[in-house]
Amino acid sequence: DGGITQSPKYLFRKEGQNVTLSCEQNLNHDAMYWYRQDPGQGLRLIYYSQIVNDFQKGDIAEGYSVSREKKESFPLTVTSAQKNPTAFYLCASNPGQQAGYYGYTFGSGTRLTVV
Amino acid sequence: DAKTTQPPSMDCAEGRAANLPCNHSTISGNEYVYWYRQIHSQGPQYIIHGLKNNETNEMASLIITEDRKSSTLILPHATLRDTAVYYCIAGGSEKLVFGKGTKLTVNP
Repeated sequence: DGGITQSPKYLFRKEGQNVTLSCEQNLNHDAMYWYRQDPGQGLRLIYYSQIVNDFQKGDIAEGYSVSREKKESFPLTVTSAQKNPTAFYLCASNPGQQAGYYGYTFGSGTRLTVV
Repeated sequence: DAKTTQPPSMDCAEGRAANLPCNHSTISGNEYVYWYRQIHSQGPQYIIHGLKNNETNEMASLIITEDRKSSTLILPHATLRDTAVYYCIAGGSEKLVFGKGTKLTVNP
């Protein structure tokens, strides 16, 4: 079945360490996104990519970095510069501009806890 | 993207219709209204979207007012599994901007 795979589901890291969250899709979607969700809050956009080798900052990009070397993959690195990294991270994709950006699909999320 | 306003919480009896309102008074002419829902600790799930006309699919109906300043998502026969946070999003489809949504609780 086509979909988005985020791994791992739970991740623990020590403060000051960089950590990379995986997001893979087999939907042949052009556009991919990373969102962060804190308890009781809506989703906030971190980074998004509309095409391979290109990406744009979202509303809360500071302390994060991404790469888009392959269409299927959009990993997110949470760096030590991110002051409050503990959160629920969601990856999403959609077909992209040619398809009118219809049909967002979300992964099941990674819950990151920094201790 | 247009700002949306939703009630923070609503309750509904199982089997009854759930009507979730959303205000988007600053929506522009080419911006769509999208509805997603998020069951606890899962990724959001697409429900429905529309531009001007009312829309219906197997999950829900979307009623958009003629001036497009507000809309209502209707779940015709709510079940316990419809308990979730429902997000109304008004804007361009290039990126989705989420608010806090409405926490719908379906009671037995």
